[in-house]
Amino acid sequence: AQSVTQLGSHVSVSEGALVLLRCNYSSSVPPYLFWYVQYPNQGLQLLLKYTSAATLVKGINGFEAEFKKSETSFHLTKPSAHMSDAAEYFCAVSPNTGFQKLVFGTGTRLLVSP
Amino acid sequence: DGGITQSPKYLFRKEGQNVTLSCEQNLNHDAMYWYRQDPGQGLRLIYYSQIVNDFQKGDIAEGYSVSREKKESFPLTVTSAQKNPTAFYLCASTRSYTDTQYFGPGTRLTVL
Repeated sequence: AQSVTQLGSHVSVSEGALVLLRCNYSSSVPPYLFWYVQYPNQGLQLLLKYTSAATLVKGINGFEAEFKKSETSFHLTKPSAHMSDAAEYFCAVSPNTGFQKLVFGTGTRLLVSP
Repeated sequence: DGGITQSPKYLFRKEGQNVTLSCEQNLNHDAMYWYRQDPGQGLRLIYYSQIVNDFQKGDIAEGYSVSREKKESFPLTVTSAQKNPTAFYLCASTRSYTDTQYFGPGTRLTVL
């Protein structure tokens, strides 16, 4: 069985500050890991994904995430927040073989203040 | 422009009525998926289809039905048996069932 825990339903940062969104996973098989972003009343957009190659994954809009097997974590970071980063972020896990059945976390809403 | 379209964007339904949500893709993707999103609960898989004329139940299929008669289309019917249908519904597709999922813009269903 697989599961994802996102710590913090809301995270607030100031514009220009570091963004850190936390994701811990549980998986009985080697996982694929994903971060998606959702703007209000829109679908999900893929930010980045880990598929067992490099442990540091770079995505779109300046985001990156590091896979740490020993900590079962896949935290999302961005060095400097922009107002346009305000959105909801979802971490997801799937098995790395066969059907990619995504299991999503409950989401973290990022608030960016001027 | 290739992509996934969902219609309508907003849908209102009276209790006891069935309603069908549309999902169309022109990406030539084989696999398609339906998710339900509720506040604070993330996304949950309703149904998925790997190829035309074949589909499987996801984690919360009760009260829903689907069809996959064409590669481009995967409509979802919310039946009167679904006890709490008010939610945001998202469709996704992939080139193959092992590939990364890409999402449509969603349909917000409200039961009055």
